[in-house]
Amino acid sequence: RKEVEQDPGPFNVPEGATVAFNCTYSNSASQSFFWYRQDCRKEPKLLMSVYSSGNEDGRFTAQLNRASQYISLLIRDSKLSDSATYLCVVNTNAGKSTFGDGTTLTVKP
Amino acid sequence: SQTIHQWPATLVQPVGSPLSLECTVEGTSNPNLYWYRQAAGRGLQLLFYSVGIGQISSEVPQNLSASRPQDRQFILSSKKLLLSDSGFYLCAWSEYRAYEQYFGPGTRLTVT
Repeated sequence: RKEVEQDPGPFNVPEGATVAFNCTYSNSASQSFFWYRQDCRKEPKLLMSVYSSGNEDGRFTAQLNRASQYISLLIRDSKLSDSATYLCVVNTNAGKSTFGDGTTLTVKP
Repeated sequence: SQTIHQWPATLVQPVGSPLSLECTVEGTSNPNLYWYRQAAGRGLQLLFYSVGIGQISSEVPQNLSASRPQDRQFILSSKKLLLSDSGFYLCAWSEYRAYEQYFGPGTRLTVT
């Protein structure tokens, strides 16, 4: 079993739709969690951190469920520019991160 | 503000040739530095990370090596490339004892 697992998708949604991605992790000692966005043939860019209390940044909401060991990303009112691959990242200590393989989102007009 | 540089952007090398990729960070001191590889359509694989000059941890045994000769310089090397070394190589940095990582633009390596 992989340490971090994501549904690879692809998720194909129309503009304006709400879409949610989940990511599960196996190490209960994991300490910090993030979502990154990666455009085709580009480097990953930090999208947002994920906290137990949940956090929101505009149309994006991230949640952490420690009991079930998963994190989620919700995107509301999808835009064409949201099309990308979304990577979840789990850290067990400051020196090492484990990335999921990513979930691909395509937003269509 | 902090900036991370990687070069070259693309590289085509024959099997058996050496490799040297360089990464430098500006605007911060004593960063954690990382090398990742991403195969086509796959996730990121951590290759090496460093918490200080001369301190390198290897995550995957292979024909690659890393060095950190200066605080903000991280180099990935190979003496003899294999076909399986092809991929997208990404350097990243984080603040010391912080978790958020920031990536350079990457080097796309094709071994022929």
